[in-house]
Amino acid sequence: DAGITQSPRHKVTETGTPVTLRCHQTENHRYMYWYRQDPGHGLRLIHYSYGVKDTDKGEVSDGYSVSRSKTEDFLLTLESATSSQTSVYFCAIRNVGGNEQYFGPGTRLTVT
Amino acid sequence: AQSVTQLDSQVPVFEEAPVELRCNYSSSVSVYLFWYVQYPNQGLQLLLKYLSGSTLVESINGFEAEFNKSQTSFHLRKPSVHISDTAEYFCAVTYGGATNKLIFGTGTLLAVQP
Repeated sequence: DAGITQSPRHKVTETGTPVTLRCHQTENHRYMYWYRQDPGHGLRLIHYSYGVKDTDKGEVSDGYSVSRSKTEDFLLTLESATSSQTSVYFCAIRNVGGNEQYFGPGTRLTVT
Repeated sequence: AQSVTQLDSQVPVFEEAPVELRCNYSSSVSVYLFWYVQYPNQGLQLLLKYLSGSTLVESINGFEAEFNKSQTSFHLRKPSVHISDTAEYFCAVTYGGATNKLIFGTGTLLAVQP
């Protein structure tokens, strides 16, 4: 258990509404990541953070933004949700000097 | 572009039989390799990792994987599977660096039948 929680765990929202997902960690890890999981695609990186207020884009960042105002929280925002953003979203952390990532329990998002 | 290939989307196998889940990656430069397991409706758990040293790595529940640099492969094996091994298995690679981004394969569903 890497001390990672995600909220909400499930959400249903309508097309065009903004949505924010939260990742919270308790162990002061520097690196945090947001992935989405879709059948046939595995996990794909959306955005990542390498410190407070330091973030960068991953391979599928269009339509998403992130913020990290404090070490323990990494927020993922869908500016205007679309049906193509229906997915399971996972947060991950990595220790400084380590190479492996540890994952949170996930958030299942449905956009209707 | 860097990529990871898991050719088998599903592997059915009978309980107590051996199994191999295949993983190939696209580059022969220095890599770090991982297998993650995902049980139904759960997150991903790190199963085993290759960072350096011995090319054969083992997990606590009987899985092993062998890093083969010449074939750019990291296949996962278990000599005798159990019903409880039913899960989706993801191979992942990172090339290190400051951001250490993981590149995942598309996953293999291991379906163990009695």
